[in-house]
Amino acid sequence: SAVISQKPSRDICQRGTSLTIQCQVDSQVTMMFWYRQQPGQSLTLIATANQGSEATYESGFVIDKFPISRPNLTFSTLTVSNMSPEDSSIYLCSVRRDIATNEKLFFGSGTQLSVL
Amino acid sequence: DQQVKQNSPSLSVQEGRISILNCDYTNSMFDYFLWYKKYPAEGPTFLISISSIKDKNEDGRFTVFLNKSAKHLSLHIVPSQPGDSAVYFCAASGNTGKLIFGQGTTLQVKP
Repeated sequence: SAVISQKPSRDICQRGTSLTIQCQVDSQVTMMFWYRQQPGQSLTLIATANQGSEATYESGFVIDKFPISRPNLTFSTLTVSNMSPEDSSIYLCSVRRDIATNEKLFFGSGTQLSVL
Repeated sequence: DQQVKQNSPSLSVQEGRISILNCDYTNSMFDYFLWYKKYPAEGPTFLISISSIKDKNEDGRFTVFLNKSAKHLSLHIVPSQPGDSAVYFCAASGNTGKLIFGQGTTLQVKP
């Protein structure tokens, strides 16, 4: 398994501000992902964080709104920019150790974000 | 377009009885299916998985059944325990490796 530390665990933010969420893994992993879980909804993939290059975003998510960094194989950040109440969600970092498509994902504990 | 659906938002069972959680999918290209369990204030944790070449996979109290023709899978927990109370997510993946999750089912096991 992988130990994933995600912080902050929760935050309450004002509309129009930005929040950066950090994800630290205890070992090098090939793939890191960011998910969002809106209230009562499923986990939705935001983007794949690519080490040394720009993240790959899913349909409906853009870099200006959710800039992502991945400077090395153990660390990534997700920024939620210019927040609105609709951004209130749980944001989850997840990792896959190797490139095998069927390997299970490990998840961080999540960041509960509330935007006022 | 919800490719993975869990139509029951909640389920309540008595301790010791069987819990059956259901999941339907629409994409015939999915070939790997997983169940995750999530407690409040924690991230999802992997529970059990099944490949499309199988129709059943068992791990202790947990069994996953896959019916490819019906595009349906189910998770059986027997006997159910109060500690099983959590949100259960079904997920599916195809050749892209991306996991598509269902909306989740909240299971409550009553003592």
